[in-house]
Amino acid sequence: AQTVTQSQPEMSVQEAETVTLSCTYDTSESDYYLFWYKQPPSRQMILVIRQEAYKQQNATENRFSVNFQKAAKSFSLKISDSQLGDAAMYFCAYRRGDKIIFGKGTRLHILP
Amino acid sequence: GAVVSQHPSWVICKSGTSVKIECRSLDFQATTMFWYRQFPKQSLMLMATSNEGSKATYEQGVEKDKFLINHASLTLSTLTVTSAHPEDSSFYICSANRATEAFFGQGTRLTVV
Repeated sequence: AQTVTQSQPEMSVQEAETVTLSCTYDTSESDYYLFWYKQPPSRQMILVIRQEAYKQQNATENRFSVNFQKAAKSFSLKISDSQLGDAAMYFCAYRRGDKIIFGKGTRLHILP
Repeated sequence: GAVVSQHPSWVICKSGTSVKIECRSLDFQATTMFWYRQFPKQSLMLMATSNEGSKATYEQGVEKDKFLINHASLTLSTLTVTSAHPEDSSFYICSANRATEAFFGQGTRLTVV
């Protein structure tokens, strides 16, 4: 069975600094997708970034980038130049086929 | 981007009554939709997969008679919590996939009193 593990329940970062959120996953498949979702206090799920497993190049979206290590089954999210609006729950997620499996989440605090 | 709308955003019901939550894909057709439950400060737990025109597929441990799912059209799935009890109080979220991306509804906060 696929599992997604986020080992950091909470993290804090100073505004304008960089923070990395960790995620590992377990799968025997070779073709799948990985995602980071943001859930702000409104609780609306927002896609932050997506990575296709067959792509070696790490995905980037403006201030957000990932470090995808397929062999190690690791998928960390780096947020650069952290902003107050980045404060939220961040969920790492795995998808193969239609289903998405979420990690337990990391609550990110931004310190002004 | 694609939009998934969920209604109502919040609902309070009395213990023993049933409540229906709707999930609509507004600008695309979704043969499959997903229902999640999220407890406070916890992750999203997949409850069931809603299949248009056929029976829903429930995850292990989810009572299908308690959580009735109907997917009567390509844009609408409904989740009915039957004979609700306080322990059913939670945040329920639906999603639908378009291509490789999942789109989520705004969620419904259910409080059973």
